Amino acid sequence: GAGVSQSPSNKVTEKGKDVELRCDPISGHTALYWYRQSLGQGLEFLIYFQGNSAPDKSGLPSDRFSAERTGGSVSTLTIQRTQQEDSAVYLCASSPDRGSQPQHFGDGTRLSIL
Amino acid sequence: GESVGLHLPTLSVQEGDNSIINCAYSNSASDYFIWYKQESGKGPQFIIDIRSNMDKRQGQRVTVLLNKTVKHLSLQIAATQPGDSAVYFCAENTGHQAGTALIFGKGTTLSVSS
Repeated sequence: GAGVSQSPSNKVTEKGKDVELRCDPISGHTALYWYRQSLGQGLEFLIYFQGNSAPDKSGLPSDRFSAERTGGSVSTLTIQRTQQEDSAVYLCASSPDRGSQPQHFGDGTRLSIL
Repeated sequence: GESVGLHLPTLSVQEGDNSIINCAYSNSASDYFIWYKQESGKGPQFIIDIRSNMDKRQGQRVTVLLNKTVKHLSLQIAATQPGDSAVYFCAENTGHQAGTALIFGKGTTLSVSS
């Protein structure tokens, strides 16, 4: 597609369940980023993928969070044993390659943990 | 990040006025700065960016000013329109850390009345 696509757009789940969030970057973009945005706050970096290199996981808040990127394209962010504080909007961005700006964002997945 | 002294969480202007949104950044090593506009329920949308070798850059109705001496960034919007109402975020990075992930400020909500 023309832009970064994220699914689902909204997700409501019970505390303790696992969730998977999907990001489809702009075609040809090798750099992919996940950010988290809590209500009324700025964006917080989570993880970064560049091509086939090992991802930079320095922003992941706990070991319940993990992400994969298969085939250098689509990425999945997984949150295990969700907690109420995980409620936020999860945003994905892509750029043509490492160090290339600007990053282009999808519209995010709004995650609500009951 | 944004200093308490310069960051206004909200800004209200009349249609047709010029708007100035300020941001202070924290890392003197940052060499890239960017402004995003975020409308409700949407992901951040790129407005304009600037590298540290410049102090001013102009786009369509927008100008970004960079003052490296005081680590200050501003976004000027000329002839503000109701469609400019949104949350505006500044972001920075050094290109050397965390896979060039952006570090975001808290955002300023711009309200334009007609």
